[in-house]
Amino acid sequence: QAGLTQPPSVSKDLRQTATLTCTGNNNNVGNQGAAWLQQHQGHPPKLLSYRDNSRPSGISERFSASRSGNTASLTITGLQPEDEADYYCSAWDSSLDVVVFGGGTKLTVL
Amino acid sequence: QLQLVESGGGVVQPGGSLRVSCAASGFGFSTSGIHWVRQAPGKGLEWVAFIRFDGSGKYYADSVKGRFTISRDNSKDTLYLQMNSLRTEDTAVYYCAKGPGPIEWEQEDWGQGTLVTVSS
Repeated sequence: QAGLTQPPSVSKDLRQTATLTCTGNNNNVGNQGAAWLQQHQGHPPKLLSYRDNSRPSGISERFSASRSGNTASLTITGLQPEDEADYYCSAWDSSLDVVVFGGGTKLTVL
Repeated sequence: QLQLVESGGGVVQPGGSLRVSCAASGFGFSTSGIHWVRQAPGKGLEWVAFIRFDGSGKYYADSVKGRFTISRDNSKDTLYLQMNSLRTEDTAVYYCAKGPGPIEWEQEDWGQGTLVTVSS
């Protein structure tokens, strides 16, 4: 089961904007949307956005998700030191009836 | 307060079996789909299995199909993962993650995980 494609790493300066991408296909991201998760070292993941790009309660407005075709994006504005983490996307694959994850992007805030 | 607490991890030999559990509280367990997701040391997240709110639908990753079984006891608010024919590559932290509804696939809330080590 091929996973979703994410860049392994992204580095941005403090207070700048980072956009993370997640590419799938017509059977997953393209027709199911994607969810985004954040994971700090040594902690379980935390959901940042649902497949419809809405945020769970308590998630900062600095995190916004979107989708264009088979690519989902997570934009983080006003980067803070605490945003340094691993970010994963996930989606349901309707042809395989499985959840697929991206390999994760390590975000470094300089 | 919502809680998911995994237990049952440990060290097991290759070819052996283990059952891990996830005790839920603070939300409507019987109306929520639940996942198992694992993470090998230093690696990314890997989805393992999902079970619908009433157990009517069970879905598995190819890597565990035929070896692992997901189940739930809604009377005990507990999720299970029976793992048979374990391999060294099954070594990971196993998380349970609650979906936002009965069948929705997102992973909305997570437990702290339980470590399973497969080694001789």
